[in-house]
Amino acid sequence: AQSVTQLDSQVPVFEEAPVELRCNYSSSVSVYLFWYVQYPNQGLQLLLKYLSGSTLVKGINGFEAEFNKSQTSFHLRKPSVHISDTAEYFCAVSEAGGTSYGKLTFGQGTILTVHP
Amino acid sequence: DADVTQTPRNRITKTGKRIMLECSQTKGHDRMYWYRQDPGLGLRLIYYSFDVKDINKGEISDGYSVSRQAQAKFSLSLESAIPNQTALYFCATSDLPAPGQEQRAFFGQGTRLTVV
Repeated sequence: AQSVTQLDSQVPVFEEAPVELRCNYSSSVSVYLFWYVQYPNQGLQLLLKYLSGSTLVKGINGFEAEFNKSQTSFHLRKPSVHISDTAEYFCAVSEAGGTSYGKLTFGQGTILTVHP
Repeated sequence: DADVTQTPRNRITKTGKRIMLECSQTKGHDRMYWYRQDPGLGLRLIYYSFDVKDINKGEISDGYSVSRQAQAKFSLSLESAIPNQTALYFCATSDLPAPGQEQRAFFGQGTRLTVV
């Protein structure tokens, strides 16, 4: 079984400032890691994913995340945020090795609010 | 993703009523999932299906049932709705975890269910 902890429930930040959304996970097996974003009144959109290979992954809208196996973390970063980045962000894991990319364990979510 | 369609988008129902939420997809994926989202809890898996003849319970299946009518259709039923089933429900699909396949899940727009 896996568990995911997003360390901040809310992150306020000013426009053009950098931001980091923190995610830690626990698992007895190897995992795939994902970040999803949910804009108000919308579904979930994939930002980026780590399946294997380079531990630094780049996603859409200027976001990137780094997989740190020793610290079991997958923090999301953006060097300069925009008002339009205001949304809720979810970190999620699935068991690696072939069961399913859709059988996900999610964190609690982090609400990012970008102020002008 | 418009390829995963949920109906209805919003529903208010009374305690004790039976209600069905429907999901259809045009992705051609074999694997389908139902999640519920609650504030501060993220998304939790209710049921999942890896093909038409396969149904599996997720983390929080009590009080719910599902039906996989076809590869493209996966319905979630609440046999006797109760207020703590008030939540945002998401359907998702994913491809087989094989080389060359889409390595991610695709989510519908969600169904907001209120049980009064």
